[in-house]
Amino acid sequence: AQKVTQAQTEISVVEKEDVTLDCVYETRDTTYYLFWYKQPPSGELVFLIRRNSFDEQNEISGRYSWNFQKSTSSFNFTITASQVVDSAVYFCALSEAGSSNTGKLIFGQGTTLQVKP
Amino acid sequence: EPEVTQTPSHQVTQMGQEVILRCVPISNHLYFYWYRQILGQKVEFLVSFYNNEISEKSEIFDDQFSVERPDGSNFTLKIRSTKLEDSAMYFCASRKGDLLGTQYFGPGTRLLVL
Repeated sequence: AQKVTQAQTEISVVEKEDVTLDCVYETRDTTYYLFWYKQPPSGELVFLIRRNSFDEQNEISGRYSWNFQKSTSSFNFTITASQVVDSAVYFCALSEAGSSNTGKLIFGQGTTLQVKP
Repeated sequence: EPEVTQTPSHQVTQMGQEVILRCVPISNHLYFYWYRQILGQKVEFLVSFYNNEISEKSEIFDDQFSVERPDGSNFTLKIRSTKLEDSAMYFCASRKGDLLGTQYFGPGTRLLVL
């Protein structure tokens, strides 16, 4: 069964702190993609990153970094030196290759990040 | 940069009325999706559409729902007889034809059923 779990419902940090958002996934497929999306208070879903199941290299983009570990089925997201503008709901999502290959996304429950000045 | 657009941004309707939510996907994309997000909850898959037909639908997507691509640009979601529990944000998304390519989302339509 496919499932994405974001155990942290809400996180509150003070500006400039580092923060890590956890994501654990379940899938029977060997080929899949993992995503992170940001949903700011305005409501839209903003794509942040996509990783495929064969690429476990960690990625850094500015203050953002992602740690993909297949051994623990985790795809964690770290924001370094957080800023107030980082305040949003962050969703982790999974897409399986499978025989149907529709590419639908299975989302986690989301983590609400509040960054206080 | 091309983006997915959705209209209207907000819609208020009476229970039992029909609503049509409209989306214009990115022009060279081939796969189209509708998702729903009830307030404060996670984003849920409704339906995927490819080559002018539904390729997958969720349990939520019952007979009250339908999708259509009436022309080369629009992609619509129709709810035939709205219920209170249909109140949610509805997102349209599209992606290119590459395997498991990134889905880009529209800004959403907030539907309120009274």
